Amino acid sequence: EADIYQTPRYLVIGTGKKITLECSQTMGHDKMYWYQQDPGMELHLIHYSYGVNSTEKGDLSSESTVSRIRTEHFPLTLESARPSHTSQYLCASSEGGGGATNSPLHFGNGTRLTVT
Amino acid sequence: QKEVEQNSGPLSVPEGAIASLNCTYSDRGSQSFFWYRQYSGKSPELIMSIYSNGDKEDGRFTAQLNKASQYVSLLIRDSQPSDSATYLCAGSGGGADGLTFGKGTHLIIQP
Repeated sequence: EADIYQTPRYLVIGTGKKITLECSQTMGHDKMYWYQQDPGMELHLIHYSYGVNSTEKGDLSSESTVSRIRTEHFPLTLESARPSHTSQYLCASSEGGGGATNSPLHFGNGTRLTVT
Repeated sequence: QKEVEQNSGPLSVPEGAIASLNCTYSDRGSQSFFWYRQYSGKSPELIMSIYSNGDKEDGRFTAQLNKASQYVSLLIRDSQPSDSATYLCAGSGGGADGLTFGKGTHLIIQP
């Protein structure tokens, strides 16, 4: 059973607010990822990390930022939320450092964000 | 551009029958493949991993990989209504940016 946790599960917030979506994993995985997924649509990679102090942008341009100060923690921050940010945000992790990803991703339960 | 292609469906299968889900990939360097099940509003859940050519069975699920044809499939035997979900095929992209996901196939098991 994967141990990766996201909080909050649901968030409704007004335009212009700063928000941070939390993601933590207890498996000691080096690699962590953030995906964005609209209902019924495909997954889009927005950020990933190889390990501590490493962050990279994914395929989908995003106004969010991430940090990786500790192995287990990979928070995502939106400085000024807009209605276009309304979506589900999924955090994932996988084992294995550096190089190619050949291990499966384990997903958290997601955060469903609504910006009004 | 690394791509994983799936038919979006919906694929409708009678209860008790075999559901067959297919996936093709473009990156010949991909070495590992995974099938995820995603219920509406939930996060993807890993159900099968396959790393070498041939078949791999786990309960009612069988994954098949043919690297020469760049083809991956998932068979679900004795389909149940609870199998109704979107099934995502994913391959290792050869880089550290995680897996390349297909858009998913929506499977409906009709009672």
